Amino acid sequence: GAGVSQSPRYKVTKRGQDVALRCDPISGHVSLYWYRQALGQGPEFLTYFNYEAQQDKSGLPNDRFSAERPEGSISTLTIQRTEQRDSAMYRCASSLELAGPIGNEQFFGPGTRLTVL
Amino acid sequence: AQSVTQPDIHITVSEGASLELRCNYSYGATPYLFWYVQSPGQGLQLLLKYFSGDTLVQGIKGFEAEFKRSQSSFNLRKPSVHWSDAAEYFCAVGAYSGAGSYQLTFGKGTKLSVIP
Repeated sequence: GAGVSQSPRYKVTKRGQDVALRCDPISGHVSLYWYRQALGQGPEFLTYFNYEAQQDKSGLPNDRFSAERPEGSISTLTIQRTEQRDSAMYRCASSLELAGPIGNEQFFGPGTRLTVL
Repeated sequence: AQSVTQPDIHITVSEGASLELRCNYSYGATPYLFWYVQSPGQGLQLLLKYFSGDTLVQGIKGFEAEFKRSQSSFNLRKPSVHWSDAAEYFCAVGAYSGAGSYQLTFGKGTKLSVIP
């Protein structure tokens, strides 16, 4: 079946604009995660959902960042009033089981490369 | 809080040579450890994982990793590298945060180049 998909794959925006990044998880996957990966770094946790409930948003850098997953499937990460420091690869992952290590393989999407000019 | 260190930013090996990528972690309890590979334009793919039991873990594509608690290490190995193994490799530790949620913490990655 299809893997995790993300759109757009590339997004260039001007400073101050809002952007919305979409993640379409593997069908039936319960948990969904957002990560940010700066150049030369590993992915950093932003937030995650079990079904439609946001369980942990401690990784969101500030209140310009928000995420939702209203029907427990597709998720949107929104960045308001973008700044140049927001430029990064934003990755989404999903897992079949509730978040936790046992049986919890996270399947990653290809990411959205965000560039803020 | 947990952390992961991958000391080697970039490694170059000849095709057919053996490979070892280093990973050290910091975590107070039993860690859940993972190796992921990232090829250009692709998402991260899980190579192998360690939860408990046998400390030598076999993964896909001929990779293996050994968990050494005394050294806080989880090094990735492959006896004979193929040109298609050129990619970036990430070690990660899964653990529960102070808020009670489960998170993956990644190292900065090691880029592997393979000389034909």
